Amino acid sequence: NAGVMQNPRHLVRRRGQEARLRCSPMKGHSHVYWYRQLPEEGLKFMVYLQKENIIDESGMPKERFSAEFPKEGPSILRIQQVVRGDSAAYFCASSPGYDYGYTFGSGTRLTVV
Amino acid sequence: AQSVTQLDSQVPVFEEAPVELRCNYSSSVSVYLFWYVQYPNQGLQLLLKYLSGSTLVKGINGFEAEFNKSQTSFHLRKPSVHISDTAEYFCAVSANTNAGKSTFGDGTTLTVKP
Repeated sequence: NAGVMQNPRHLVRRRGQEARLRCSPMKGHSHVYWYRQLPEEGLKFMVYLQKENIIDESGMPKERFSAEFPKEGPSILRIQQVVRGDSAAYFCASSPGYDYGYTFGSGTRLTVV
Repeated sequence: AQSVTQLDSQVPVFEEAPVELRCNYSSSVSVYLFWYVQYPNQGLQLLLKYLSGSTLVKGINGFEAEFNKSQTSFHLRKPSVHISDTAEYFCAVSANTNAGKSTFGDGTTLTVKP
């Protein structure tokens, strides 16, 4: 049973480009969460999704960031017109329910140059 | 809303010594509590969780934590650490409603020295 799969592991984008981060949850997990980890900081919640629904996006910046978890396929975190401050590690986690704890992916490290 | 404070950003300890990593939380509702470990360039791995019942919970790799409701704490302990325990440890809290998201502390870097 594969764990949470994130790709790419590393992503380099120039300022103004778009970044697409993908996350395939563990089999049987219907809850997906995205977190951002800045250097020397902890994890900051971004968004919580279930299939085809955004449950909580209170941690998402109002502009340039969006997330989806379609009926088929992986969850996507999309960052438009990236800026240097978007450079961070983005982690996806999944769970079968709210009281199970998370299974994390290995993260995507985004570098904006 | 919930918040988590990890009281020590760095904890150095010698191999085979005991260790305690401290975590305090605040919440206006009942909570679930978690500890995760992160090794370099990897995602986080769940060590243990408290949902209800016994306040002493045991996890993987010989770690345990005690939930103290009156002190709003959930400290992580291990009686004898190994070099391989060197990692970053995160405490997390979530409301025990169907709200989903966990709030994480800023992490404690445990360094085990020979």
